[in-house]
Amino acid sequence: QVQLVQSGAEVKKPGTSVKVACKASGGTFSRSSINWVRQTPGQGLEWMGVIIPTYATPTYARAFQDRVTITADESTTTAYMELSGLTSTDTAVYYCARYLDAMDVWGQGTSVTVSS
Amino acid sequence: DIVMTQTPLSSPVTLGQPASISCRSSQSLVHSDGTTYLSWLHQRPGQPPRLLIYRISRRLSGVPDRFSGSGAGTDFTLKISRVEPEDVGVYYCMQSLQFPFTFGPGTKVDIK
Repeated sequence: QVQLVQSGAEVKKPGTSVKVACKASGGTFSRSSINWVRQTPGQGLEWMGVIIPTYATPTYARAFQDRVTITADESTTTAYMELSGLTSTDTAVYYCARYLDAMDVWGQGTSVTVSS
Repeated sequence: DIVMTQTPLSSPVTLGQPASISCRSSQSLVHSDGTTYLSWLHQRPGQPPRLLIYRISRRLSGVPDRFSGSGAGTDFTLKISRVEPEDVGVYYCMQSLQFPFTFGPGTKVDIK
């Protein structure tokens, strides 16, 4: 049974970066894709990007491609999402989710607050 | 990008009664391999989304059979045959035919 456990909540200043970790356990990590989705307060879900750890080449949503970096470390079965140039509009809960036919396993979410 | 819309955006329901949510995509979600990449997720307050149904109508293991999905092409429906208290929350449809994956705005289901 695959589980995804994310790193803890972050509070950041505007203009800085945040890096969120997503550790997979209990299943195949390398060949499934890990997606990153964010949810802003009171809003819906927004896909940010994806990586297949074996291939290590991410695909990003246009809205984030200049600011987001998604990586994966097969040796530790951990995926990372780094978002730079933070503004208050990046205050959100960030989720990682495994994709096999659909997003069938989700991390618990990481709250990121951007405030001066 | 494929735009996903849902109706209604809010649905007060009576326990034990059926509920239905519609989802429409701005273009067909049928892949060249014949698979339709439309899924439904449920999110309770303070929790991550949870996959209920994928490929229009396939229930994830452990999802109660009161949930069913139907539709084709660009029009899809999620039905709950008899609403239970744990079914409250927000339901999202999602397309994974092409990047960027996109979600509907969500339908909030609560008890009358």
